[in-house]
Amino acid sequence: EPEVTQTPSHQVTQMGQEVILRCVPISNHLYFYWYRQILGQKVEFLVSFYNNEISEKSEIFDDQFSVERPDGSNFTLKIRSTKLEDSAMYFCASSEESPAGQPQHFGDGTRLSIL
Amino acid sequence: DAKTTQPPSMDCAEGRAANLPCNHSTISGNEYVYWYRQIHSQGPQYIIHGLKNNETNEMASLIITEDRKSSTLILPHATLRDTAVYYCIVDEDSSYKLIFGSGTRLLVRP
Repeated sequence: EPEVTQTPSHQVTQMGQEVILRCVPISNHLYFYWYRQILGQKVEFLVSFYNNEISEKSEIFDDQFSVERPDGSNFTLKIRSTKLEDSAMYFCASSEESPAGQPQHFGDGTRLSIL
Repeated sequence: DAKTTQPPSMDCAEGRAANLPCNHSTISGNEYVYWYRQIHSQGPQYIIHGLKNNETNEMASLIITEDRKSSTLILPHATLRDTAVYYCIVDEDSSYKLIFGSGTRLLVRP
């Protein structure tokens, strides 16, 4: 069964450094998403992306965050200057068509640890 | 905030059916109900979704009341591997985002 893959599984970065989290969505999917989950807390929506544009973003997704689909397969989340509070699990998801009635399929996440 | 209300925890015996309830009394006519689960810190796993009719797939059944104000996820023969946090989510106004609540922590007992 097709799946969303995320790399790396664990990323350790010094505070203030830039980090790029990578995702390969399911191949025929058109909508892409990033979520995060701080340890012990709820899964939170960050951003959705379609047709090379951000469709929707949350208040968490401020100027230090950016997303990109650099080629036909990868979808990336960049955090420009990491903070301690960025430590979390980051999940990528994709869906086949527009969101109404279409499930999002999630990867197993990247654990980001900021030191 | 999430538009759904779920019990914080439930348990059931291995091999028995697990029935997980969800209230979504403010759901609108074109909003779907989705169920996901999360095992440990893995990514949320899609289980099933529906609009008005009951749905069944290889993982579970979804029963939606006629007024659509509540639903029940049924795992017909729970196994130890079904121990997880189960999330009931309403896709608000077909928004691009899923709003996760705290879910129901299901413990399947041997």
